[in-house]
Amino acid sequence: QKEVEQDPGPLSVPEGAIVSLNCTYSNSAFQYFMWYRQYSRKGPELLMYTYSSGNKEDGRFTAQVDKSSKYISLFIRDSQPSDSATYLCATNAGGTSYGKLTFGQGTILTVHP
Amino acid sequence: DADVTQTPRNRITKTGKRIMLECSQTKGHDRMYWYRQDPGLGLQLIYYSFDVKDINKGEISDGYSVSRQAQAKFSLSLESAIPNQTALYFCATSDPRASETQYFGPGTRLLVL
Repeated sequence: QKEVEQDPGPLSVPEGAIVSLNCTYSNSAFQYFMWYRQYSRKGPELLMYTYSSGNKEDGRFTAQVDKSSKYISLFIRDSQPSDSATYLCATNAGGTSYGKLTFGQGTILTVHP
Repeated sequence: DADVTQTPRNRITKTGKRIMLECSQTKGHDRMYWYRQDPGLGLQLIYYSFDVKDINKGEISDGYSVSRQAQAKFSLSLESAIPNQTALYFCATSDPRASETQYFGPGTRLLVL
């Protein structure tokens, strides 16, 4: 079993919908949580970053971490066609392994007009 | 110009051939990484280097080797390519003070026949 599990989708939603993307993880040492976005034929780019449990909001995007249930979420409000991409959750334990990220499988999202 | 460049962008090779993928960065980061991406598996870490003299194996290093020629250059070699090494390969860099933010190159598509 992978340390980080992510539903690969694909997920298809109409423009304006609220999108929920989720990951679970098994290693309780993970304390850094990231969401990367990857457009087709491009490398991933960091979208959101959260340390430990809690919520973080950036415009239409909200990242949520619940360490008690080992659950990571990304919410996209008022989704746009330009949000169509693959979304990858990633985690890191910090300490001597800081920078050694563990990624989920990625969820392919399509937002249609 | 792109901060992280990879060459070649596409490569077709035959089983048993030796192949080298190259990565260069202009961000001045000490940390560099090599990942492979397969459909449904997300990104898997092959090797990482926290400075020129520090090289470490990742999750899936078997069949691969790396060379850190300078702070800005990190090469990945497949000594004897096999078909299940067909994948999309990404190089990434990060600042040691903010390694949750990794900057990815555009990727190299490798097909091993």
